Amino acid sequence: GQQVMQIPQYQHVQEGEDFTTYCNSSTTLSNIQWYKQRPGGHPVFLIQLVKSGEVKKQKRLTFQFGEAKKNSSLHITATQTTDVGTYFCAGLNTGTASKLTFGTGTRLQVTL
Amino acid sequence: DTGVSQNPRHKITKRGQNVTFRCDPISEHNRLYWYRQTLGQGPEFLTYFQNEAQLEKSRLLSDRFSAERPKGSFSTLEIQRTEQGDSAMYLCASSLIPLNTEAFFGQGTRLTVV
Repeated sequence: GQQVMQIPQYQHVQEGEDFTTYCNSSTTLSNIQWYKQRPGGHPVFLIQLVKSGEVKKQKRLTFQFGEAKKNSSLHITATQTTDVGTYFCAGLNTGTASKLTFGTGTRLQVTL
Repeated sequence: DTGVSQNPRHKITKRGQNVTFRCDPISEHNRLYWYRQTLGQGPEFLTYFQNEAQLEKSRLLSDRFSAERPKGSFSTLEIQRTEQGDSAMYLCASSLIPLNTEAFFGQGTRLTVV
């Protein structure tokens, strides 16, 4: 079955440093989504990427979808303590009957 | 509240007992997912529905797990003869396919099997 892996599993940065998490799918995706889960919370949708090579920005967050539509990345510039949480990518295969498969997640810790 | 609602929020049960969880999705959403999440892991797919039809059930899921969505609205997830390994957070999410595939999650039901 489809597998979605993320690296790194965990990253600890000082406030102001940049952060990147990488997502790789074993199969080609129709789209990829990113979610953030705060400690003790549930996953919350951040963004969706659909087109090959697509790049989207949300303030300090930059999301990329690979040309082959099998990988993606999330980059945070100048992290803040409010960025703390676990970031998950989630892939949707082609066709309306496909399910949303979550990656293994990257936990981000930011300290002053 | 128009978000995804899950009940109960917490459940403690003795090993061997049956438990049932309920999920009320966003009212117009036709897709409903169940996931299981343990500490430090990503949401693990259990099953999903398109309206009332159950489209897929994880092959990793034992026969003790069953889910229903009888009228295409709310859904229930039942675990029979619970085991300690079933202890986890059970998350429900809904979306509107194909217009918007974004999944909206409920707060989850935390199950502890003692």
